[in-house]
Amino acid sequence: ETAVFQTPNYHVTQVGNEVSFNCKQTLGHDTMYWYKQDSKKLLKIMFSYNNKQLIVNETVPRRFSPQSSDKAHLNLRIKSVEPEDSAVYLCASSYEGNERLFFGHGTKLSVL
Amino acid sequence: SQLAEENLWALSVHEGESVTVNCSYKTSITALQWYRQKSGEGPAQLILIRSNEREKRNGRLRATLDTSSQSSSLSITATRCEDTAVYFCATVLSSGSWQLIFGSGTQLTVMP
Repeated sequence: ETAVFQTPNYHVTQVGNEVSFNCKQTLGHDTMYWYKQDSKKLLKIMFSYNNKQLIVNETVPRRFSPQSSDKAHLNLRIKSVEPEDSAVYLCASSYEGNERLFFGHGTKLSVL
Repeated sequence: SQLAEENLWALSVHEGESVTVNCSYKTSITALQWYRQKSGEGPAQLILIRSNEREKRNGRLRATLDTSSQSSSLSITATRCEDTAVYFCATVLSSGSWQLIFGSGTQLTVMP
C-alpha cells in the first residue's frame, strides 16, 4: 500500500512555464527525496532533505527547488521548464540513516 | 556517472523459470539494495545486503554480494508474470552520505 503520495499523476505544460509538484508521506519519516527518472528508467537523485540539512545534487539546474512546510511534505518547484525536464519525478522518504526508501508513484511531466 | 550498474538491459523468461540479474559497482559501499519497479509505480525495496554479508534471501529472491569483485546478483526462482518489472541495484556509499545511488536498471519480462 502507498504511504508516499504524489500529485498530480501527470502534468503537461509549455516551455517557460512554472510547475509545482506535491509530495506527502504518512510514514513519520524525517528525510525526503526527489528523484528524476528519464525515459530509459535511469534514476538520478536531485535533492535529499531533513530538518537539519538540504543536500542538492550539483548537476541539478537552479530552476529546480525543493519546498518543505514540515517533515511530512516536500514539494518540487520548477521555475521555468525546459524540454529536457520531461521525465517522471519520484518522491521518496526514509528515516535518516535508514537506507530503505519508500517511493510514491511519481509525477510524469511532459514539456511541449 | 552512475556508481552502480546492472549488467544487461533486458531479460525475458517464461513463467516458472529462474533468472539472475547482475550488478557491478565502482566504490566502497556499506550496503547494497535491490529494488523492483512495476509499471506505473515507484521502486520498492526487495532486499538489503550489507557489506559484511555474502547472501540474503527473501522468499523466492536470493541476493549475493562479492565485495572483492564489487558485484552483486539477484536471483528469482519460479518466476511469475507479476515479477515483470525493472530491477535496480542501489548502493549506499561508505562516505557517510545517506543518499541512495541507483544503477541503470534491468527490464525483466516474464512470459506466460
